Order: sequence, then C-alpha cells, then structure tokens
Amino acid sequence: AQKITQTQPGMFVQEKEAVTLDCTYDTSDQSYGLFWYKQPSSGEMIFLIYQGSYDEQNATEGRYSLNFQKARKSANLVISASQLGDSAMYFCAMREISSNTGKLIFGQGTTLQVKP
Amino acid sequence: DADVTQTPRNRITKTGKRIMLECSQTKGHDRMYWYRQDPGLGLRLIYYSFDVKDINKGEISDGYSVSRQAQAKFSLSLESAIPNQTALYFCATSDWRTGGNEQYFGPGTRLTVT
Repeated sequence: AQKITQTQPGMFVQEKEAVTLDCTYDTSDQSYGLFWYKQPSSGEMIFLIYQGSYDEQNATEGRYSLNFQKARKSANLVISASQLGDSAMYFCAMREISSNTGKLIFGQGTTLQVKP
Repeated sequence: DADVTQTPRNRITKTGKRIMLECSQTKGHDRMYWYRQDPGLGLRLIYYSFDVKDINKGEISDGYSVSRQAQAKFSLSLESAIPNQTALYFCATSDWRTGGNEQYFGPGTRLTVT
C-alpha cells in the first residue's frame, strides 16, 4: 500500500541557513507525483513544489528544491536561506498517477521553527 | 477573491446534530476533494468527485456524506456529528483535464463537536 513517512516531528534552523526536511515514500506504481505543502499557523495549505517520478531533474521553486532519489524512494525538501516566515508545518504528499483518482496521500508532517 | 472558498470557517456543534460544510471554487476544475486533518496526522481523504455525476469514497468516509450540486460546489455533511469528528476540514480542487498536478486547497473549516 502507498505510504508517506516523515520521520522528523520537529526541526529547528537558524535564520539564513539551509534546512532539509525528510520524506520517504512507498509505492508499487511506476508513475507518481510528489508534492510538498506548507501549513502556517493560520491553517491554510500552500503548495510549494512538485516532482514527477519521470522527471530527470530535481524540481526547484525559488528557495525550495526537492532532492529526489528514486532508488531510495526519498523526496526531501531543501529550503535555502531560511526566513522567519518559513516557520510552519510541512507536509510531503504523493499521488499515484495510474490510480486516476488524483487523490493525495499525506505524511504526518514536520514542524519547522526558524530561529532569529 | 479566493479561488477555493469554504463556509463556515469555524463551527461548534453538539453531538447528534446534522451539519453541512460547503465548498465553492471559481477555478473551473473538474475534480473536488474533501480531506480531514487531525492533530499529529496528515490529511486523510474523505470523499472525492470527478464531476457532478461521479462521487467516490475515500479512506475515511464512514459518518460522512457529500453532494456535488454543480461543478463548482461540493458539500460535506455529517449526518449525526460525534466528538471524534472534531477536526480541521479541507476542500481541494484539481484540473485533471489539463493534466494539472497541483491540488488547490481552501482555507479550511475548523469543526468542534461537543
């Protein structure tokens, strides 16, 4: 069964430093997509970045990059030059494209706190 | 204006009451989803809909029902609310026809059942 695992319940990072949030996934599908969402304390879910299983390049969006290691089934989020506004909960999610439902399977989340 | 809206944003209700959470979208997307978030857990899928005639159960549909009144509207009902349905509820949309990968989430409805 498909599953997303985020093993870091909480992380701290100093402002302006880089941080890596871990995500591993389990699927038997060959075609899937991986997502990262940010949830600030206000509660909304903000899309950050997407990586397709067949994408050869790691996805990047501004200060966010996704370190995709297909053989290890990991999709870690790297945030460069952390800012105080990055303090939030971060969720990794997966969509199995072959299932044709479009539904997302989420990990448990990692709480990131950026220290000034 | 927000593309995906949810009403109400906060609701406190009593055990046994029927309650409806509403979701509207202006994105023109065909697919809509209802998720639930509990503390310490990620989002879990309750129901999803491909169009007004196609509604499907997710992993935790027991105790819930949905209605897709139009392409833009997808409502979630709790027929007889119970305290363990206290959670944060999210509606989301995606555009499968154009191959879009992203799901767009509403702001969430915080529901408390006493």
